[in-house]
Amino acid sequence: GAVVSQHPSRVICKSGTSVKIECRSLDFQATTMFWYRQFPKQSLMLMATSNEGSKATYEQGVEKDKFLINHASLTLSTLTVTSAHPEDSSFYICSARVSGYTQYFGPGTRLTVL
Amino acid sequence: DAKTTQPPSMDCAEGRAANLPCNHSTISGNEYVYWYRQIHSQGPQYIIHGLKNNETNEMASLIITEDRKSSTLILPHATLRDTAVYYCIVNNSGGSNYKLTFGKGTLLTVNP
Repeated sequence: GAVVSQHPSRVICKSGTSVKIECRSLDFQATTMFWYRQFPKQSLMLMATSNEGSKATYEQGVEKDKFLINHASLTLSTLTVTSAHPEDSSFYICSARVSGYTQYFGPGTRLTVL
Repeated sequence: DAKTTQPPSMDCAEGRAANLPCNHSTISGNEYVYWYRQIHSQGPQYIIHGLKNNETNEMASLIITEDRKSSTLILPHATLRDTAVYYCIVNNSGGSNYKLTFGKGTLLTVNP
C-alpha cells in the first residue's frame, strides 16, 4: 500500500524558534496533502489542505502566517511552525490523498516547545 | 457532510469478532462511509469504505444497512494489535476538497 513518511518523528525546541516538518509520499504522487494537529486525548483537527503548486487552504482559526505550508512537488509537503510557543506543542500528522476520501497518513511528529 | 454517532468505547476478546457500529441517519445518496483507525501515538490508518454494498478487504468487512442510515465495521478475528480508536466518517465524494472530519471515534480494547 501507499506509504507516507514524516520527518522528524520527534522534536524539542526552545520558545521562539521555528520548526520544519517534512511529509513525503514514498511510492506515489500526491496532488493533495493535508496537515492535522492532535492534542492529548483529543481527535485529529484538520489545519490545512495543501495542493501541489498552489497556496494552501487553511481551516478557520488556523494562522497561516504561523503555520507555513509548502507543497512544491508531488511527493513533498512541509509545515513550518514559526516562532513556536509552548501552546504549539502537539502531535502533527500529515496525510496524502490517494483517491476519493482515501488518505494515507504519516506516522506523526511530536513537537515539544520549551 | 453527514454527522456520525459511535459508542465511545467497546471491549472485545482476542480471537473473537469485533463489531463496531456507526449511525449516520442523515447520510445523503452520494455520501460514502469511510473507516479509519488510530493506534496510540501513531498516524491514522485507512481501513475500508463503501457506498451501498457491503465491502470486504484483508483487514475488515463493512456492512451497510439497506437504508444506509447505519453501518458496522467487522474485524473477524480481533488481535491485541487491533486495540485502537476507530473512526467512522461520512463524506460526499468530490466535495469539500476531499477533507476528512474526524469525530471522537470508538476506543476498541481487545483483551487477552
